[in-house]
Amino acid sequence: QVQLQESGPGLVKPSETMSLTCTISDGSINTYYWTWLRQSPGGTLEWLGFITYTGNTDYTPSLRSRIAISLDTSNKQFSLRLTSVTAADTAMYFCARQQLRFDAFDVWGRGTMVTVSS
Amino acid sequence: DIQLTQSPSFLSASVGDRVTITCRASQGISRYLAWYEQKAGKAPKLLIYAASSLQRGVPSRFIGSGSGTDFTLTIASLQPEDFATYYCQQLNSYPFTFGPGTKVDF
Repeated sequence: QVQLQESGPGLVKPSETMSLTCTISDGSINTYYWTWLRQSPGGTLEWLGFITYTGNTDYTPSLRSRIAISLDTSNKQFSLRLTSVTAADTAMYFCARQQLRFDAFDVWGRGTMVTVSS
Repeated sequence: DIQLTQSPSFLSASVGDRVTITCRASQGISRYLAWYEQKAGKAPKLLIYAASSLQRGVPSRFIGSGSGTDFTLTIASLQPEDFATYYCQQLNSYPFTFGPGTKVDF
């Protein structure tokens, strides 16, 4: 059964860049859409963007100027980079998998909490 | 962006109850709707996809229905492990969006 695991710093200073990595275990990186989402402390879930196994990406419009998702197929990882962070970026960040572009997210990581604070 | 509303936002229920949660989309999304269950400190778990298809391994007491703008999630007989927050999500168009959640509690 495929498993996803997020990793990265739990604390980031305002205006800095945050980077998170999702490692894929016991499964193939090929043919799927790999996604990042976040959940605010109040519970609001937000889709951030995806990367396909061929490297195609799409992002939520509200973050398009600050976000990048990349893929490392040799290590079976994909990463999220978010620049110029503010307190509004404080959230639990999840990685997840879609089998096809408009499919639901059938596998999720456990999530990693990121706090933006000086 | 497509907005999703859920009702109720909170639901008090007992074991054995039949529970229904409603999700309404701001525009038609065909059957591109999923339902997730989330327990405290855990990631969301997929229950229903394509409005009414049961994800593998999910108990049959979870029933999804609807199309267009109006959808429901029914738990036929609430079990102790079902006390959680439930979210709907539209996958008709980007950006994918979620409803605000319905918390099912005692």
